[in-house]
Amino acid sequence: QSVLTQPPSASGTPGQRVVISCSGSSSNIGSNSVNWYQQFPGTAPKLLIYNDYQRPSGVPDRFSGSKSGTSASLAISGLQSEDEADYYCAVWDDSLNGRGMFGGGTKLTVL
Amino acid sequence: EVQLVQSGAEVKKPGESLKISCKGAGYSFNTYWIAWVRQMPGKGLEWMGIIYPGDSDTRYSPSFQGQVTISADRSIKTAYLQWSSLKASDTAMYFCARLGNNWAQFEYWGQGALVTVSS
Repeated sequence: QSVLTQPPSASGTPGQRVVISCSGSSSNIGSNSVNWYQQFPGTAPKLLIYNDYQRPSGVPDRFSGSKSGTSASLAISGLQSEDEADYYCAVWDDSLNGRGMFGGGTKLTVL
Repeated sequence: EVQLVQSGAEVKKPGESLKISCKGAGYSFNTYWIAWVRQMPGKGLEWMGIIYPGDSDTRYSPSFQGQVTISADRSIKTAYLQWSSLKASDTAMYFCARLGNNWAQFEYWGQGALVTVSS
């Protein structure tokens, strides 16, 4: 079981706004930058959000990140069928001499 | 263009050793951390460890410390992940990735290498 907690699934209809949460603690989300990844089956993950809310070049502004205390969120607005994928949060944790960690992942279904 | 090209799929028997590779191109290999990430079949991503090729400084997740060895050869811009004695539970897809400005920000990814361990 991951130290970073994500809902295992989320869903929405085209055009809707969906929010995926990532809950951690003071040693990870509470003190370090959160990153989000999108992964399609059989492919490598892709960086979607870094440093809590910043988007790499080429990522649509429909994707946004936020953080408050020990929780972070990824919001997808104007949901599209091609957004159906797995989404992971990732952050550095300062405990145990430091280690990186991923959330358990959220499978997003576009209905 | 930044590229990370991983070695191909491997099929091994329990107890065998293995070393898989990740070759960087299109950037200064020595000055960016490289990470290894495991994904077991049907499961999520796991942060295994990182290496700084410039001085081979290496950090491991406690879950993988002592189970694998991460190394790099600066002269050929290649990072490695190796096992001395594989187990069936090592069956997984392994990705390498180049880090950005925090140790969970993977900017660029290799294509992945599937390791299958079966008797």
